[in-house]
Amino acid sequence: DTGVSQDPRHKITKRGQNVTFRCDPISEHNRLYWYRQTLGQGPEFLTYFQNEAQLEKSRLLSDRFSAERPKGSFSTLEIQRTEQGDSAMYLCASSLSGGGITDTQYFGPGTRLTVL
Amino acid sequence: QKEVEQNSGPLSVPEGAIASLNCTYSDRGSQSFFWYRQYSGKSPELIMFIYSNGDKEDGRFTAQLNKASQYVSLLIRDSQPSDSATYLCAVWTSYDKVIFGPGTSLSVIP
Repeated sequence: DTGVSQDPRHKITKRGQNVTFRCDPISEHNRLYWYRQTLGQGPEFLTYFQNEAQLEKSRLLSDRFSAERPKGSFSTLEIQRTEQGDSAMYLCASSLSGGGITDTQYFGPGTRLTVL
Repeated sequence: QKEVEQNSGPLSVPEGAIASLNCTYSDRGSQSFFWYRQYSGKSPELIMFIYSNGDKEDGRFTAQLNKASQYVSLLIRDSQPSDSATYLCAVWTSYDKVIFGPGTSLSVIP
């Protein structure tokens, strides 16, 4: 399978704990995005990388959230001191972009986070 | 004004009918437009994209774009129960960012 993969698929944690999610993009893609989606809403942008550089971070992303893409391949999203409001589906997408190429994003299966 | 707007639905159509889904956007310089399908509990799946004014057809799906009116639509012909899902409109804006709409829920009644 050469699509976008995410791990874990489901995570249940207690309020105050830290969680980390991983995303492996399509291998030749240079961009990697993180989104959060809650019920009845479209994906909400969190941050994105072009290669290993984090180019933009949403104002919605508090300092409890951090993302890395150390070698321009896989990425991790960490949430520290989780709150019940962090419960959502966390989606990763990747694309091949730049030089006028349309930024067509392909999504992974998502990680569903439940904070108790 | 929200950047990308869609009718939330639910939109109900009988099996075999044409389903029409609409999307408007605020950034006049937007370049490309995408339609994704999302089944309940699953991640979005790309259906098609369009970047030129007019129609683009792919099987039972037709995307229509009118940049002057800042409007993009998706028509689904011969709707099937398996088309029941939420349809997300996404716009690649002039500031190099993809913005998603809230989605329209479609229900195809057998």
